[in-house]
Amino acid sequence: GESVGLHLPTLSVQEGDNSIINCAYSNSASDYFIWYKQESGKGPQFIIDIRSNMDKRQGQRVTVLLNKTVKHLSLQIAATQPGDSAVYFCAENIAQGAQKLVFGQGTRLTINP
Amino acid sequence: EPEVTQTPSHQVTQMGQEVILRCVPISNHLYFYWYRQILGQKVEFLVSFYNNEISEKSEIFDDQFSVERPDGSNFTLKIRSTKLEDSAMYFCASSEEAIQYFGAGTRLSVL
Repeated sequence: GESVGLHLPTLSVQEGDNSIINCAYSNSASDYFIWYKQESGKGPQFIIDIRSNMDKRQGQRVTVLLNKTVKHLSLQIAATQPGDSAVYFCAENIAQGAQKLVFGQGTRLTINP
Repeated sequence: EPEVTQTPSHQVTQMGQEVILRCVPISNHLYFYWYRQILGQKVEFLVSFYNNEISEKSEIFDDQFSVERPDGSNFTLKIRSTKLEDSAMYFCASSEEAIQYFGAGTRLSVL
């Protein structure tokens, strides 16, 4: 089915700490995943993506891990900053002829000073 | 940096009226999309558009919705006879390949 879900709706971390946001997906045929950040009043902003032939991908202060065995995706943010406070969505790209993103519910990340 | 732009930022309309939401995708992108987000909920796919035709649409995208690329730069979403439950943020996105880039959205309020 087309179901991408998140384990936790909210997460609070201290500034400077690392954060981990989790996501479960149900479509075992999914082969591409994206993490988006959405700040209040703005549209989703691309953070990082990963294809199913990879287990890990790193960007600037962010790392995405993919565990296909348990259909689990995570986003790690290192050395969190106040500007990281936002809602984070994982999304599954269903590219069956046409691209279509299926979003999870979102996790609100709050960075405490 | 190129970005997707949407107008207006906020649209207020009476139930039963028609609205047109406008988007200017990133110029070299070939795929265009509309999504909506009801307040406090997740982003939901509405429709994708490629080569001047709809590629895929969700069950939400019923006969009251239509999309159009009237010229080389604009991409529009028309909602005929709006309903209260159409109130939401509507996001336009475009892509060259897999990564979809989103606009800031149009908040539609149906009264």
